[in-house]
Parts: sequence; structure tokens; C-alpha cells
Amino acid sequence: QVQLVQSGAEVKKPGASVKVSCKASGYTFTGYYMHWVRQAPGQGLEWMGWINPNSGGTNYAQKFQGWVTMTRDTSISTAYMELSRLRSDDTAVYYCARDSGGVRGMDVWGQGTTVTVSS
Amino acid sequence: DIQMTQSPSTLSASVGDRVTITCRASQSISSWLAWYQQKPGKAPKLLIYKASSLESGVPSRFSGSGSGTEFTLTISSLQPDDFATYYCQQYNSYLVTFGQGTKVEIK
Repeated sequence: QVQLVQSGAEVKKPGASVKVSCKASGYTFTGYYMHWVRQAPGQGLEWMGWINPNSGGTNYAQKFQGWVTMTRDTSISTAYMELSRLRSDDTAVYYCARDSGGVRGMDVWGQGTTVTVSS
Repeated sequence: DIQMTQSPSTLSASVGDRVTITCRASQSISSWLAWYQQKPGKAPKLLIYKASSLESGVPSRFSGSGSGTEFTLTISSLQPDDFATYYCQQYNSYLVTFGQGTKVEIK
């Protein structure tokens, strides 16, 4: 079945970086864009950007430009999201979500990765 | 960037009620709007896409309507499993935005 499995929870200190992985299975990884969305505790969903796994092309929300890097490894069907210069307000659950192909929105989601930033 | 505004932020309703949530876009997005349901501790789930198309497996009591800048999500008869937070999301442009969410609570 189609699924996205994300890496485990992380605890980081302010100023550090975190890299979250998202392994895809059950479909052709390079055929669908991958989004990253985060959710701070008790808050709503915040879109961070997407990556085209086929070309490696990316598009980031303005807020995250220069601060987030999305990459992929097609040999293992895995997308990555790296956030640098972490602050306490980056504490959130980070989700990867498959883009259905531009018509149906985000149809498959990972289980989420909790990133806690604390000194 | 396109801003998405949902109303209300919180809605109290009873089982069996008809519930309507509104989402407004700051500029026209045609019909490129999706609705998601999220329960505590879980990832969002796609309910409606292209404003009014029901995702496979989603109960028919959920429906969506609208185009341009005004959209609605309707639950025709609220069920116990429907108490959750709902988000709209526009995908008209390469830059995606979500509404701030509507929490549907038990009255």
C-alpha cells in the first residue's frame, strides 16, 4: 500500500540543525511532488515547501527561504527536510505529504516527526 | 501570497446537526481548494479536493462547494467520529496555504 514513513523524534539545542527523512513505498517516488508541513503545539498547519523528486527542484514558502533545504535520494525513495539555525519556536510536528499530481491536493501523509528545540 | 481565512474558528454542535464551515481566499483560486480533517495526534486526512470532489472512502455526508474566493464544507449529519479540526488549503499556485482551522466540538 502507498505509505510515507518518517524518521523518529528529535531533540535539538537552539542554533543546531535537524534533518527529517520521509521514506516512500507503494508508488513511483519520482512521479509525485512531496510537500513538507509543520504544526507547532496547539497551532494550525503551516506549509513549508515542496520538492520534485524527479528533478530535485524545490519551492519554499517565503518564510523558510534560506533556512530550509529539501533534498531527495531516489535510490532509496526518500525525501529529506533540513532546517537550520533552530529556535525554540521551531518546536513542532513535521509532516511530509505526497502531492496527488496537482489535482487532488495532498493525498498521503507521513505519521509526523516531533522536533523539540530546547536548551 | 494567497491568504485563506476560515470561519468560525470553533464550532459547537450536536450529533445529527448540519454543520457548515466557510473558507475565503484573498484572491481567486478557481476551484483549487482541498479540505482536510485532523484528529489529535494524527496526520491530516484529505476529505475534499477541487472544491467539491469527494476523496475515495470519505463518507457522503461530507460535501464541498464554491469557486473563486468563497468555499464551504458541509457535514450533513454530524457523527461522533466527525469531532475534529478541519482545514482548507489552496493549491492554485506553486505556493500552498492553509486556513487557520475550525475545531468542531461537542455541544
